[in-house]
Amino acid sequence: GAVVSQHPSWVICKSGTSVKIECRSLDFQATTMFWYRQFPKQSLMLMATSNEGSKATYEQGVEKDKFLINHASLTLSTLTVTSAHPEDSSFYICSAPSYGYTFGSGTRLTVV
Amino acid sequence: GENVEQHPSTLSVQEGDSAVIKCTYSDSASNYFPWYKQELGKRPQLIIDIRSNVGEKKDQRIAVTLNKTAKHFSLHITETQPEDSAVYFCAASESGTSYDKVIFGPGTSLSVIP
Repeated sequence: GAVVSQHPSWVICKSGTSVKIECRSLDFQATTMFWYRQFPKQSLMLMATSNEGSKATYEQGVEKDKFLINHASLTLSTLTVTSAHPEDSSFYICSAPSYGYTFGSGTRLTVV
Repeated sequence: GENVEQHPSTLSVQEGDSAVIKCTYSDSASNYFPWYKQELGKRPQLIIDIRSNVGEKKDQRIAVTLNKTAKHFSLHITETQPEDSAVYFCAASESGTSYDKVIFGPGTSLSVIP
């Protein structure tokens, strides 16, 4: 079946630094990737949609300069959290359309 | 844009009983409705989905019903087991090919008591 590999699975960083999260589609081409954020005991909130070869589409209220999304190829999409602050601590997860939607394993980001 | 509501937020049932989770959506253009199960710290897992041209779909102990006129859909789990305990999310998407963005409901935490 379709697999999306997401790395890292967890990361701890200092406030003010940047963190890059990668999602790779292993056995299919993902022209689209959805990026979600999930706070504890809450739902998955769509942050942005990345499309290979074009600019990402951000949901209302999501800072595009803070959450940089790049869809470099048909198998790789990245999310970079720039100048991270403690309030950015969350579970970030990607999803690509394939036989429904295939999710990555998620990244637990903790900013200290 | 699409808004998905879900009820109840928490649900406790005795093992063997049935569980029902209900969702409503706002965008009449939505036509794909997946349901996900998420265990703590793990990725959501698709358990069943339904498209707008179908009113009901069943897969073993799990069934989903859709009422497009009322814009609501429901998940039914029969003969619940402790391993069914998890958070369940309903979702809605506008695209018939399921390539459009998916908007999630707030989730239902299901506890199955042995």
